[in-house]
Amino acid sequence: GEDVEQSLFLSVREGDSSVINCTYTDSSSTYLYWYKQEPGAGLQLLTYIFSNMDMKQDQRLTVLLNKKDKHLSLRIADTQTGDSAIYFCAETDSNYQLIWGAGTKLIIKP
Amino acid sequence: DAMVIQNPRYQVTQFGKPVTLSCSQTLNHNVMYWYQQKSSQAPKLLFHYYDKDFNNEADTPDNFQSRRPNTSFCFLDIRSPGLGDAAMYLCATSRGTSGRYSYEQYFGPGTRLTVT
Repeated sequence: GEDVEQSLFLSVREGDSSVINCTYTDSSSTYLYWYKQEPGAGLQLLTYIFSNMDMKQDQRLTVLLNKKDKHLSLRIADTQTGDSAIYFCAETDSNYQLIWGAGTKLIIKP
Repeated sequence: DAMVIQNPRYQVTQFGKPVTLSCSQTLNHNVMYWYQQKSSQAPKLLFHYYDKDFNNEADTPDNFQSRRPNTSFCFLDIRSPGLGDAAMYLCATSRGTSGRYSYEQYFGPGTRLTVT
């Protein structure tokens, strides 16, 4: 079945770039997503990429998609304390239902 | 602003005492979802409504039920909460057209359920 995997933790210094990685299994996924969840809050769609794209950039966020390796990454430039959150990678199944990774907790060091 | 609203944000119930969580939306989306999220885990889809059609996930316990009286509101009923049902419950919406789903889901802030 479909599976999405990501590291559980990432620690970076404030001002550095953060790169959160994700691998997925369903090569037929049309969209791949990054959601952000701050402590005690709901999920916020951060960005998404269509499967026929290799890269998408939105201000400080860069998403890279390697379809051959089924690898998705999220780069956050100039990481700030407000970026502290759990970042979930997700893909869609054939019914556009979300298949979630376990989430990567981004820890910002001063 | 259009949004997904969940009430209450925090709910405490006793073991075995029925509890209802509510979700409302002003987005006029025809698809509504309920997810369960336990600490440090990914959200787990419990069920969803596509218009009035109810879709239950195969592994959703019978203890969980849902009602959708109209487009705007959806309820999650837990008939006999156990300690293992303590979690964050997330409501989400999306737009469906001609039986297909939109790629984007909009989430509410969640209700944290504690079972004592």
